Amino acid sequence: DVVMTQSPLSLPVTLGQPASISCRSSQSLVYIDGNTYLNWFQQRPGQSPRRLIYKVSNRASGVPDRFSGSGSGTDFTLKISRVEAEDVGVYYCMQHTHWPWTFGQGTKVEIK
Amino acid sequence: QVTLRESGPALVKPTQTLTLTCTFSGFSLSTSGMCVTWVRQPPGKALEWLALIDWDDNKYYSTSLKTRLTISKDTSKNQVVLTMTNMDPVDTATYYCARTYYGSGMDYWGQGTLVTVSS
Repeated sequence: DVVMTQSPLSLPVTLGQPASISCRSSQSLVYIDGNTYLNWFQQRPGQSPRRLIYKVSNRASGVPDRFSGSGSGTDFTLKISRVEAEDVGVYYCMQHTHWPWTFGQGTKVEIK
Repeated sequence: QVTLRESGPALVKPTQTLTLTCTFSGFSLSTSGMCVTWVRQPPGKALEWLALIDWDDNKYYSTSLKTRLTISKDTSKNQVVLTMTNMDPVDTATYYCARTYYGSGMDYWGQGTLVTVSS
């Protein structure tokens, strides 16, 4: 199985400051069609996960533009340009290039 | 408007079989490209991908759980059923179903259902 490794696992941030989460895969996530199937999800406390980013860098509908995704191959990053209070929660990367699909361990974002 | 709702027992005993139903609306699992995924989350822990079924009845399972899982669909009822055999306390978790596309992953999620395994 592809192992997804996130860092850091805990990220205290100051309101209005940027935040960055890394996600690394144990093998390339480039599929034979040339696409890279890497998603980012946000899970606020007590809520279901919400998709933020698909195919590395595409923002899902309704997602604020302060969220951005980047990366290629095995190294990926989710950035929040200016953290707001509503961004508190756990963030997960997930690959769906290889079966079975796999999630990272999650990164908990909290306000300092 | 897309909605998904998970249903099933809140409490099961060890060794029993768990049956969960995902009832959805706003899309059809007979549409080409459409899939439904199950994901679980033990209390305070990370998300774990379990299984997927697609419009063509292709099925995929978690490597570690594939001997215990079965996913099926009833297109006429807009339902996907997940069964997990030989339940153990470590299977205590919130179980989610989600609408899924191969090209973009899971876009709509249910609210989840908490299943506790205890004698």
